[in-house]
Amino acid sequence: QKEVEQNSGPLSVPEGAIASLNCTYSDRGSQSFFWYRQYSGKSPELIMSIYSNGDKEDGRFTAQLNKASQYVSLLIRDSQPSDSATYLCAVTGNQFYFGTGTSLTVIP
Amino acid sequence: DTAVSQTPKYLVTQMGNDKSIKCEQNLGHDTMYWYKQDSKKFLKIMFSYNNKELIINETVPNRFSPKSPDKAHLNLHINSLELGDSAVYFCASSPTGVTTDTQYFGPGTRLTVL
Repeated sequence: QKEVEQNSGPLSVPEGAIASLNCTYSDRGSQSFFWYRQYSGKSPELIMSIYSNGDKEDGRFTAQLNKASQYVSLLIRDSQPSDSATYLCAVTGNQFYFGTGTSLTVIP
Repeated sequence: DTAVSQTPKYLVTQMGNDKSIKCEQNLGHDTMYWYKQDSKKFLKIMFSYNNKELIINETVPNRFSPKSPDKAHLNLHINSLELGDSAVYFCASSPTGVTTDTQYFGPGTRLTVL
């Protein structure tokens, strides 16, 4: 079992819709959770970080964490074509683990 | 100002050669990392240094040797390159290295071994 699992996609949504990205992790001791966005040929850049159960909102982005169920999600409201990228979930406990990413395409 | 920089951006070389990738950060961070991203986009940590000391050394072949001359630099030297070493290598840094830290990534070095 991988430490961090994501649906690889591709996930396609129309412009203006909500995109929902999910991630599960195996280490119950994990403490910090991150969502990174990676455009093709570019480096990962941080979108959101979340450390406690519940929701955290930042503009059009909402991260949700449920430690009991060991999942973290990212919602993107009013999706824009510029949101088209690969979204990487990262989890830290004793180590820093990335998921394999979900490819998102927002269709104009 | 470039926060985390890597050189070279592209590296094409023959099997068996030795090559180095350099990384520098001007963020004043204490911790630096090397990651390998394969063709399936899987990003895996290789090494982590905190104030020039090796903190994380994942299971990578000993052909890979990191060197940190000071806390702003972390270089990666690869001996006897193999086809499977072809990937994008990212350097990253974080303020202290604690688990809540955000990591800031360099632009990556695309290594192609022929």
